[in-house]
Amino acid sequence: KQEVTQIPAALSVPEGENLVLNCSFTDSAIYNLQWFRQDPGKGLTSLLLIQSSQREQTSGRLNASLDKSSGRSTLYIAASQPGDSATYLCAVRTTGTASKLTFGTGTRLQVTL
Amino acid sequence: DAGVTQSPTHLIKTRGQQVTLRCSPKSGHDTVSWYQQALGQGPQFIFQYYEEEERQRGNFPDRFSGHQFPNYSSELNVNALLLGDSALYLCASSLEDKRGYTFGSGTRLTVV
Repeated sequence: KQEVTQIPAALSVPEGENLVLNCSFTDSAIYNLQWFRQDPGKGLTSLLLIQSSQREQTSGRLNASLDKSSGRSTLYIAASQPGDSATYLCAVRTTGTASKLTFGTGTRLQVTL
Repeated sequence: DAGVTQSPTHLIKTRGQQVTLRCSPKSGHDTVSWYQQALGQGPQFIFQYYEEEERQRGNFPDRFSGHQFPNYSSELNVNALLLGDSALYLCASSLEDKRGYTFGSGTRLTVV
């Protein structure tokens, strides 16, 4: 059974800092891994999708890496801004489970002025 | 290009009642999945519909049922509501080719 863990559960940083969010998964047989952002009480916004054959994806100030063999992914946010404050969720799509996504519990990020 | 649309946005129901939530997928998407997200938790998979059939189901009781229509839109029905069913219900759509998912804004269900 796939299990996804995100560390830390919460993080507070001053504006301008670079930061790393971590995601680990127990079953390395995955199709892809997707990072989402969720604002309080809202739906999920997709940030980055990494296919199992890829090592990283970049979008603006965001960079996500994938090490499938070790069951790890990181989301790097450069030059953080107060608008980045949200919960960040990692989700994996595992081989053999059709199209189900398994989520971590998220990292709640607060960027202060 | 409209994304995933869910209705209603908020709903309050009494224990024992039944509820229907609706979802229209992103244009061009053919697969719809439903997730339940309790406060402070990650979303949990309920079930997925493809070609109007339930293709996969998570660990949810039979009180949770669904339907997909020929235009790919979908409904989630929950019978005999319990207080523990209070959550944010998220609909996600995708293409069968295993690319990423697009989520809607969710329906906040409160059972009193």
